[in-house]
Amino acid sequence: DAKTTQPNSMESNEEEPVHLPCNHSTISGTDYIHWYRQLPSQGPEYVIHGLTSNVNNRMASLAIAEDRKSSTLILHRATLRDAAVYYCILRLNNNDMRFGAGTRLTVKP
Amino acid sequence: DTGVSQNPRHKITKRGQNVTFRCDPISEHNRLYWYRQTLGQGPEFLTYFQNEAQLEKSRLLSDRFSAERPKGSFSTLEIQRTEQGDSAMYLCASSLGESGGRQETQYFGPGTRLLVL
Repeated sequence: DAKTTQPNSMESNEEEPVHLPCNHSTISGTDYIHWYRQLPSQGPEYVIHGLTSNVNNRMASLAIAEDRKSSTLILHRATLRDAAVYYCILRLNNNDMRFGAGTRLTVKP
Repeated sequence: DTGVSQNPRHKITKRGQNVTFRCDPISEHNRLYWYRQTLGQGPEFLTYFQNEAQLEKSRLLSDRFSAERPKGSFSTLEIQRTEQGDSAMYLCASSLGESGGRQETQYFGPGTRLLVL
């Protein structure tokens, strides 16, 4: 199975941008890159996904490297409510998601 | 609230007892997933239903685990003869899946936290 590598933890200051990296060097051509986040005591929630092109939505932006071996989730202005574990996931052509340990984001006021 | 709901939210049981958890997905969603999450780890896939059919099971789903989704609506996950190693958060998710599922968004419930003493 294709795997992702993320830093265990990152810190950010409130109202500053945050760049969360993810390496996926074994990605195949049909794998979508998904990001979910999990706030304390909650189930994961969808953030964004993409295949080749950069993507933007109301929550975040996803920058995908040209060779697709890495991607970066960008939170443009971190708030205290963005403190969570962020998971980078490769969606294979099947129906389950393989989560890693994710990156724990701490936002400092 | 029309999100995914799970009951109970917390369950404490003694080793050897049977437990059953319920998941109510978003009403029009045809796919339903069960995951298990232990402390400090990401969720691990257990099983998946499309409508009432259970289409995939992880090797993590031992013989003591059984899941059902009668009539393609709510689902139950039963653990028989619980062991201390079963202590975890059990998460349910649902989706309105397209063929292949690579772009689908899964909507998660709040989870049921199980503690086996």
